Amino acid sequence: GENVEQHPSTLSVQEGDSAVIKCTYSDSASNYFPWYKQELGKRPQLIIDIRSNVGEKKDQRIAVTLNKTAKHFSLHITETQPEDSAVYFCAARAPSGSRLTFGEGTQLTVNP
Amino acid sequence: DTAVSQTPKYLVTQMGNDKSIKCEQNLGHDTMYWYKQDSKKFLKIMFSYNNKELIINETVPNRFSPKSPDKAHLNLHINSLELGDSAVYFCASGGENYGYTFGSGTRLTVV
Repeated sequence: GENVEQHPSTLSVQEGDSAVIKCTYSDSASNYFPWYKQELGKRPQLIIDIRSNVGEKKDQRIAVTLNKTAKHFSLHITETQPEDSAVYFCAARAPSGSRLTFGEGTQLTVNP
Repeated sequence: DTAVSQTPKYLVTQMGNDKSIKCEQNLGHDTMYWYKQDSKKFLKIMFSYNNKELIINETVPNRFSPKSPDKAHLNLHINSLELGDSAVYFCASGGENYGYTFGSGTRLTVV
């Protein structure tokens, strides 16, 4: 089955700096890669996703890049703000079903 | 309208009790899931139903039994609760062409 590894497990940045979270996946057939943000005590919420026919996608201060050859994808947050502090999860899905396999999460802390 | 609604939000109960968590989605998705999130924050899949049919059943004690009366509902019943069952349980719905929408979670505390 699919295996997703996520790094780093914790990340601390100063407000205004950029943050990058990286994930690798094992199943080369995986074709859908969402990112979720989970604030303390809240549900995970989809913030951005990318499909395997696209190399990069951007939405305001967040962007995701996908390298299918290397089987890795990354989340980039620019001009970080304290409200970006949360746990971020990457996930991957193979085309054979709807199940998402999640990474272990990254605790991002943005210091004012 | 809440897309995926889950009740109760908090559940505190004694060891050995039986409890249920309910989940309903109004998104028209075919597939629903139960995830367990422990103190380390890892999202571990437990079960998945597609159109009332069980399609994923991970290594979960048989004290946990999911029930799906229709594709909009997926409930989780837990028998003989143990201390190690304390966690946050998330219901989610999704489909092949889109990501999941999670419910608000149920924080289960077994004392």
